[in-house]
Amino acid sequence: LAKTTQPISMDSYEGQEVNITCSHNNIATNDYITWYQQFPSQGPRFIIQGYKTKVTNEVASLFIPADRKSSTLSLPRVSLSDTAVYYCLVGSGGGADGLTFGKGTHLIIQP
Amino acid sequence: DTGVSQDPRHKITKRGQNVTFRCDPISEHNRLYWYRQTLGQGPEFLTYFQNEAQLEKSRLLSDRFSAERPKGSFSTLEIQHTEQGDSAMYLCASSRDRGPRRETQYFGPGTRLLVL
Repeated sequence: LAKTTQPISMDSYEGQEVNITCSHNNIATNDYITWYQQFPSQGPRFIIQGYKTKVTNEVASLFIPADRKSSTLSLPRVSLSDTAVYYCLVGSGGGADGLTFGKGTHLIIQP
Repeated sequence: DTGVSQDPRHKITKRGQNVTFRCDPISEHNRLYWYRQTLGQGPEFLTYFQNEAQLEKSRLLSDRFSAERPKGSFSTLEIQHTEQGDSAMYLCASSRDRGPRRETQYFGPGTRLLVL
């Protein structure tokens, strides 16, 4: 399974755009990139998934360069409620592999 | 879609006791996963069911742990002779088999276990 590297923590302010970058140099051809969000004492929540270029949904955007060795999760106009841990995962599927989480990025939004 | 539910949400037990947790997946999901999460770490995969068949077990799942999914719907995770090191959040997730397409796993709220 491809290993991911992301910052341990980030700070920002309400109303700002936040970009969290994840490195995955050993990503395989069949691998997708998935981001989850987790609040304290809750299970992770799926945010967005992509394979290449750009994906956007109502919550976030995911930018993936052509070499796919990194990806950037973009959260527009964050609020205090976006304070959470964000996990970047890379893999080709669930099934017997399960999901491999790292330590994630602890995003703290200040007023 | 009522989401994945887990019961109980919290459990305090004494070392050596047995505990059992229940997970109810999203109804049309045929895949079910158990994870364990300790403080400051991401979730760690424990085991996986495809319908009622347990197809994979992590080496983290010691002999004291057993999981079942008897009718391919809800699942139980039992820990026998609990140890203080078993204290963690136990998470359940479910997904729909999409074949070669990457599936999305939906997580429940977790059961927080404290072993005294």
